[in-house]
Amino acid sequence: NAGVMQNPRHLVRRRGQEARLRCSPVKGHSHVYWYRQLPEEGLKFMVYLQKENIIDESGMPKERFSAEFPKEGPSILRIQQVVRGDSAAYFCASSQRTGLNTGELFFGEGSRLTVL
Amino acid sequence: GENVEQHPSTLSVQEGDSAVIKCTYSDSASNYFPWYKQELGKGPQLIIDIRSNVGEKKDQRIAVTLNKTAKHFSLHITETQPEDSAVYFCAKTGANNLFFGTGTRLTVIP
Repeated sequence: NAGVMQNPRHLVRRRGQEARLRCSPVKGHSHVYWYRQLPEEGLKFMVYLQKENIIDESGMPKERFSAEFPKEGPSILRIQQVVRGDSAAYFCASSQRTGLNTGELFFGEGSRLTVL
Repeated sequence: GENVEQHPSTLSVQEGDSAVIKCTYSDSASNYFPWYKQELGKGPQLIIDIRSNVGEKKDQRIAVTLNKTAKHFSLHITETQPEDSAVYFCAKTGANNLFFGTGTRLTVIP
């Protein structure tokens, strides 16, 4: 049973480039969440998606960031025109059941973005 | 409503001693409170959770208590071992996601 798979594990970009982070949820899970973790800080919610739908993007910066979870394939977190402040670990999590009150979040190992 | 305060930020204990981490929140609607353990370079992993209809839950050396009236919940680790060293996060449910505390770095000294 594969857990949440994220890639790449490490990504280095120069300022102004684009970063694409991919997440394959646990098989059978249709709910995907993206969190950002700055060094020595907690996890900050970014976005919650179900297949082909963005349910809650209240934690996403208004510009340069976007996320999708297509019918086929992994969820993608896309950061355009990266800046040094985007350097962080980005974690994807998935859950099986509707609503967190009844389900556990399973996290991936994270993608660590470094912007030079 | 979405903030979760977690204390202490760092905690060092001798092997075999107990460790306690506390979290407080303000949103009365939350009814699910998980705790996650994050080891260096890894993603967070659920270690125990509690729902608002119970006050305490135990799993071997780990226990969680919840005081919904006072809006605080705590993680208790007894007989700590070096492999317990990690960052621990409390969390509570929001409308569509989990809100996490700022984390506690636990170091168990052999």
